[in-house]
Amino acid sequence: DAMVIQNPRYQVTQFGKPVTLSCSQTLNHNVMYWYQQKSSQAPKLLFHYYDKDFNNEADTPDNFQSRRPNTSFCFLDIRSPGLGDAAMYLCATSRDIGGGTDTQYFGPGTRLTVL
Amino acid sequence: RKEVEQDPGPFNVPEGATVAFNCTYSNSASQSFFWYRQDCRKEPKLLMSVYSSGNEDGRFTAQLNRASQYISLLIRDSKLSDSATYLCVVNNPYSSASKIIFGSGTRLSIRP
Repeated sequence: DAMVIQNPRYQVTQFGKPVTLSCSQTLNHNVMYWYQQKSSQAPKLLFHYYDKDFNNEADTPDNFQSRRPNTSFCFLDIRSPGLGDAAMYLCATSRDIGGGTDTQYFGPGTRLTVL
Repeated sequence: RKEVEQDPGPFNVPEGATVAFNCTYSNSASQSFFWYRQDCRKEPKLLMSVYSSGNEDGRFTAQLNRASQYISLLIRDSKLSDSATYLCVVNNPYSSASKIIFGSGTRLSIRP
């Protein structure tokens, strides 16, 4: 059974047109993460939520925002996608942070194309 | 210097061979260490956590060397299905900077 679900799996948007990617989890984990992964590169952490607390990475562009309305759902909003934002976006969860509880479970990803 | 470094490979080895990868990390305060595998165009999947005492899961053995700041993954009797990219992940939950760092991955290709 899918534990971390991402929708849609493939998203095509136009340059500058806002887009929202969705992630949901059935694990009841405290932490949800969003990563960006470009071809042949490592996943790059954009931000994470610990419960309702939002933690932005220092080098995440302002163009990327996130919302977590409840434990199960987390959204990634890209306000004005540029060609350089085309990538796989991965959502992950972990029960907690540190202390052996930080194993991350990934969703299947959303592949974003920007035209 | 990157915070987490891996040899990108590709490692191209015959089926049945033993292959080992290393991953070095720069932050001595790092707390948790993992190996993930990622198949082409798929999400990373946890292969194993890495503990100071070393841990083994079937054909896979992971080691952590805190003094030298590296982790290793050994795959014995490699199978065709082991072909993938192996990502090293280092986590420092108490860091003020990025807490979770992925290495750029080591590509492994097993040939018949």
